[in-house]
Amino acid sequence: NAGVTQTPKFQVLKTGQSMTLQCAQDMNHEYMSWYRQDPGMGLRLIHYSVGAGITDQGEVPNGYNVSRSTTEDFPLRLLSAAPSQTSVYFCASSPSFSPNQPQHFGDGTRLSIL
Amino acid sequence: AQSVTQPDIHITVSEGASLELRCNYSYGATPYLFWYVQSPGQGLQLLLKYFSGDTLVQGIKGFEAEFKRSQSSFNLRKPSVHWSDAAEYFCAVGAGDYKLSFGAGTTVTVRA
Repeated sequence: NAGVTQTPKFQVLKTGQSMTLQCAQDMNHEYMSWYRQDPGMGLRLIHYSVGAGITDQGEVPNGYNVSRSTTEDFPLRLLSAAPSQTSVYFCASSPSFSPNQPQHFGDGTRLSIL
Repeated sequence: AQSVTQPDIHITVSEGASLELRCNYSYGATPYLFWYVQSPGQGLQLLLKYFSGDTLVQGIKGFEAEFKRSQSSFNLRKPSVHWSDAAEYFCAVGAGDYKLSFGAGTTVTVRA
């Protein structure tokens, strides 16, 4: 039972490069989300999806794109990386967005933009 | 929109001593409240949750939390900490708009 799998675990990019962070879950969860974690700021929601084909913006969506073509996968795209996007990125999923169904988190992707 | 404040950035506690982590939230209705723990280099793990009913909730690893509506608080407690409890702890609040808001986190150091 893999749960939520994020790849890669580490990545270094140059300013202006593009990249896709992968997130896959094998629990048939409808709700998936992406967060970024920065020191002293906790986790901030970037984008989320309540099901295949449905995505919406979170608190800090600028500079990021997402799509949800399947239930299992929810990739996060950086179109033109900037140093301000250096962070740890977490993907999470849950059966639906309800209080009795807590989110399952991946182990994170540590991204550095030079 | 909902928001969460964790007033303590860092707490140091002796092994065997009690621990209390503070969490205050802002939301107009009854929120969904969660505490998560993050060990170094790992993702977040749910400790406990509250959304209705008994205001004192029990979680994993011997943790409990109490919801106090009058104080807009959801403080986390453990009677006797173990060295393995050293981690970062996050309080989170969810509302009906599919968004979960996290506090900035409290780092707990356990000294022998």
